[in-house]
Amino acid sequence: DTGVSQDPRHKITKRGQNVTFRCDPISEHNRLYWYRQTLGQGPEFLTYFQNEAQLEKSRLLSDRFSAERPKGSFSTLEIQRTEQGDSAMYLCASSRPGQLIPEQFFGPGTRLTVL
Amino acid sequence: GEDVEQSLFLSVREGDSSVINCTYTDSSSTYLYWYKQEPGAGLQLLTYIFSNMDMKQDQRLTVLLNKKDKHLSLRIADTQTGDSAIYFCAESHQAGTALIFGKGTTLSVSS
Repeated sequence: DTGVSQDPRHKITKRGQNVTFRCDPISEHNRLYWYRQTLGQGPEFLTYFQNEAQLEKSRLLSDRFSAERPKGSFSTLEIQRTEQGDSAMYLCASSRPGQLIPEQFFGPGTRLTVL
Repeated sequence: GEDVEQSLFLSVREGDSSVINCTYTDSSSTYLYWYKQEPGAGLQLLTYIFSNMDMKQDQRLTVLLNKKDKHLSLRIADTQTGDSAIYFCAESHQAGTALIFGKGTTLSVSS
């Protein structure tokens, strides 16, 4: 499968615990994006990378959130001290500048439930 | 700030045309997109339009852009039950940057 993959697909955690999600972009895509989608809402942008550089962060990305892409390939999103309001679907997408169609390819998402 | 608004629900009969509307506030939006989300599936790009275009047609899909009113619409001709999904309008300043999405329009197609 050459699409964007995310792991795990589902995560249930207790409030106060830390969680980490992984995203593997389409190979040769040098841009990688994280979005969050809550029920009944559209995806909300969190942050994006070009290679290993984090180029933009949304104000939604509080101090408890951190994203990395150390080698410019896969990325991790960590949430520390989770809160019930963090329950959402976390979506990852990737793109390649210069492609004919300005498309971001989305993964299936990681659904986080904080109890 | 940037905002994208959509009507939340649309119900049509199979074979009819569907029109989903969207308004946006950021006049510097360069690209406008329509994404489709089906239950259990990821977001899929349906079509996009550059801000210097008025219309784009792609098979059963027609996108109309009124830049003056910041209004975007997606028309689906001969709507099928397989078109039932949530449709998101989105905008970005340049290709490869953050997408700003609307809340999505749930399209229900009855046979």
